[in-house]
Amino acid sequence: DGGITQSPKYLFRKEGQNVTLSCEQNLNHDAMYWYRQDPGQGLRLIYYSQIVNDFQKGDIAEGYSVSREKKESFPLTVTSAQKNPTAFYLCASSMETGFVSPLHFGNGTRLTVT
Amino acid sequence: EDKVVQSPLSLVVHEGDTVTLNCSYEVTNFRSLLWYKQEKKAPTFLFMLTSSGIEKKSGRLSSILGKKELFSILNITATQTGDSAVYLCAVGVGGGGAQKLVFGQGTRLTINP
Repeated sequence: DGGITQSPKYLFRKEGQNVTLSCEQNLNHDAMYWYRQDPGQGLRLIYYSQIVNDFQKGDIAEGYSVSREKKESFPLTVTSAQKNPTAFYLCASSMETGFVSPLHFGNGTRLTVT
Repeated sequence: EDKVVQSPLSLVVHEGDTVTLNCSYEVTNFRSLLWYKQEKKAPTFLFMLTSSGIEKKSGRLSSILGKKELFSILNITATQTGDSAVYLCAVGVGGGGAQKLVFGQGTRLTINP
């Protein structure tokens, strides 16, 4: 079955450590996205990528980095520079067809930094 | 700055009631408005609206995009406990192929038996 796989589901890290969240899709979608979800604030866009080897900053990119070396994969690194990294992180993808199409979401990774 | 506001933020009703969830927006270069349902983890797609005044329906759920005012409503009739979830409104903005979605805060709907 086609879909988006995020791993791990839960992640615990000490403050000051970098951590990488995995996102893989087998939907053959060109565009991929990372969102952060905090209580009472909805989803906020961190980074997005329209094609391989290219990505753009979203609204809250500071303290995060991404790569898009393969169409199927869009990992997100939460660096020690991110001041408040504890959150629920959602990866998504969509068809790149020249018009707006719905996002398909993964099941998310809940990151806790202490 | 693009902005999407949902109301109410929280709603508790009894099974069988009809509910209306609201979404208003102020954005540049509007492309579409989407509704998602989030029960525990991954939001699931409900509707995408691009033309004002045209209602979309799926079973007990329906949604419409306002004609003049910048808003949308999501109606759920004969609610069931399985409708309990957070409902997210998102507006697609920007040019080019890949849309950027701006999300509202969500409405947490609780259906009591």
